[in-house]
Amino acid sequence: DAGVTQSPTHLIKTRGQHVTLRCSPISGHKSVSWYQQVLGQGPQFIFQYYEKEERGRGNFPDRFSARQFPNYSSELNVNALLLGDSALYLCASSLRTGSYEQYFGPGTRLTVT
Amino acid sequence: AQTVTQSQPEMSVQEAETVTLSCTYDTSENNYYLFWYKQPPSRQMILVIRQEAYKQQNATENRFSVNFQKAAKSFSLKISDSQLGDTAMYFCAFIGFGSNYKLTFGKGTLLTVNP
Repeated sequence: DAGVTQSPTHLIKTRGQHVTLRCSPISGHKSVSWYQQVLGQGPQFIFQYYEKEERGRGNFPDRFSARQFPNYSSELNVNALLLGDSALYLCASSLRTGSYEQYFGPGTRLTVT
Repeated sequence: AQTVTQSQPEMSVQEAETVTLSCTYDTSENNYYLFWYKQPPSRQMILVIRQEAYKQQNATENRFSVNFQKAAKSFSLKISDSQLGDTAMYFCAFIGFGSNYKLTFGKGTLLTVNP
């Protein structure tokens, strides 16, 4: 079975631009979470979605938004990019909300110049 | 708010030896899970082992085992018979039943296994 997939692998954007990152969960998993991992740090929670509804939100500005589609895939959008948004963005899927095991994708490396 | 602390930024071990990575956490919740994740240089985060707080028995997965001390809020990972492929960043993570489904991670420990 395929694991969690993310696209693109790498991305370079300029300050002020907008970016969309995509994630497909493991087949049968209905919950998707997004994390930001700055170099040298542990991942920080951004969002969790289950059945297309936001179920959890971390301490990130409103420039960050996300959504989940009927096929359970998800998009993370970031507006008005700042240099500090440069990071590895990780997507994780789990079977259902309240399922505490999360399985991570390979991540999208975003560089903002 | 939950916090997870990994006090060892880097560690090294010789192949075939045993190494223990430390983790402490702080929470007011009584029901929670703890995890160790491994992130090799290829960056895919892999779940290594998990521990339910209500279980007194320490979790074990092949060469990986934990020492869970709930009262001390300590959760260390022991890797036996270390292999070169164990070289990676190791993250300790916490999730509480009332924590809005978010995993809280420590800053990680970079483990290098030397031949």
